[in-house]
Amino acid sequence: SQQGEEDPQALSIQEGENATMNCSYKTSINNLQWYRQNSGRGLVHLILIRSNEREKHSGRLRVTLDTSKKSSSLLITASRAADTASYFCATIFSGAGSYQLTFGKGTKLSVIP
Amino acid sequence: KAGVTQTPRYLIKTRGQQVTLSCSPISGHRSVSWYQQTPGQGLQFLFEYFSETQRNKGNFPGRFSGRQFSNSRSEMNVSTLELGDSALYLCASSYLGGRDYGYTFGSGTRLTVV
Repeated sequence: SQQGEEDPQALSIQEGENATMNCSYKTSINNLQWYRQNSGRGLVHLILIRSNEREKHSGRLRVTLDTSKKSSSLLITASRAADTASYFCATIFSGAGSYQLTFGKGTKLSVIP
Repeated sequence: KAGVTQTPRYLIKTRGQQVTLSCSPISGHRSVSWYQQTPGQGLQFLFEYFSETQRNKGNFPGRFSGRQFSNSRSEMNVSTLELGDSALYLCASSYLGGRDYGYTFGSGTRLTVV
């Protein structure tokens, strides 16, 4: 079953604007990861944030994690047309021996040139 | 360095047949996972292997099986195919597993069951 839920399901913005996607999850996690998928192809790993971290940056990406609210957000600044894709959050359960990613349903981002 | 390679890219099978999908992970990666992606159910975990041992298994029927070889290459098999097995099957590799590093995904095998 899907643990994460992304919000919004779809987002359309103009090039140069910022895009914010949110993710909620249900159980205690070891870490939370964000992935991008272009047109039904493979997923590309964007960033991993551990349960003891609150914020992480990578280039134009900023991820926050609030374990008390079981939520995360992904901010893409100064968006480009090439950022058009589906974005998924995925969690790894904190239980020992758990290595599976549990994905949300994703946010479909459209960046209009 | 070469990425995760999945073969074949596309496959069309008939109900009742069986299929084997292959995945070659990034060199040095010992963890290989498989995921099924459908429009209705999204991305769902199938199984994860590490050094030829299955560490985790998702909630799929026994028709879905997998294995990992000593060179870390992995195969998954689906027997007695059903129409609902039509999906994009994704393989992902990681050095030790997703608890410390993210996964690198292949481009997937798109399976169509008719």
